[in-house]
Amino acid sequence: GESVGLHLPTLSVQEGDNSIINCAYSNSASDYFIWYKQESGKGPQFIIDIRSNMDKRQGQRVTVLLNKTVKHLSLQIAATQPGDSAVYFCAERNAGNMLTFGGGTRLMVKP
Amino acid sequence: GAVVSQHPSWVICKSGTSVKIECRSLDFQATTMFWYRQFPKQSLMLMATSNEGSKATYEQGVEKDKFLINHASLTLSTLTVTSAHPEDSSFYICSASPGTGRGGEQYFGPGTRLTVT
Repeated sequence: GESVGLHLPTLSVQEGDNSIINCAYSNSASDYFIWYKQESGKGPQFIIDIRSNMDKRQGQRVTVLLNKTVKHLSLQIAATQPGDSAVYFCAERNAGNMLTFGGGTRLMVKP
Repeated sequence: GAVVSQHPSWVICKSGTSVKIECRSLDFQATTMFWYRQFPKQSLMLMATSNEGSKATYEQGVEKDKFLINHASLTLSTLTVTSAHPEDSSFYICSASPGTGRGGEQYFGPGTRLTVT
């Protein structure tokens, strides 16, 4: 079936550096993608989203890039901080407002 | 705004007993609620979707007689794990959406940690 997956299970970065988390998706019919942050023992927290008719969207310190040609999604975090340490999931929304989550990437920020 | 709560935040129960988890949208009416299960170091897996006043739609492989879902009002959905077994131990997360179809955001609860001994 359709799935959303990630390339890297763990990403370790130095505080202050930029982080890039990647995601590959397979459902070409999806038109809406979301990035979530999940801290240990908590529910997912919305970070940023993007529609398929866009290739880039910026938020505060975060940028999401969408490449529909290769079905690739990335989350860029600028000036990564210790508070950014968490597991990050991409999710794909389909008809019926259902979400399919990727496998997750753990971001570890070294002080 | 768009706050979703879950109760309890954690629960320990004995094998064979039933456990009820509540999901509430505190400041909006949730037309649709979703229940997810997350095992350690894994992603969220959708268990079922429920619309207020309707029977829940379960994902393939999820036993509807074991995981009873009730969406009796626009602000409350409950998940009852019946005859729980240790393999049901997991992190259960709900989300609530004020809309249906495309365009409806999902707001997530904080999750409930279930441990079955």
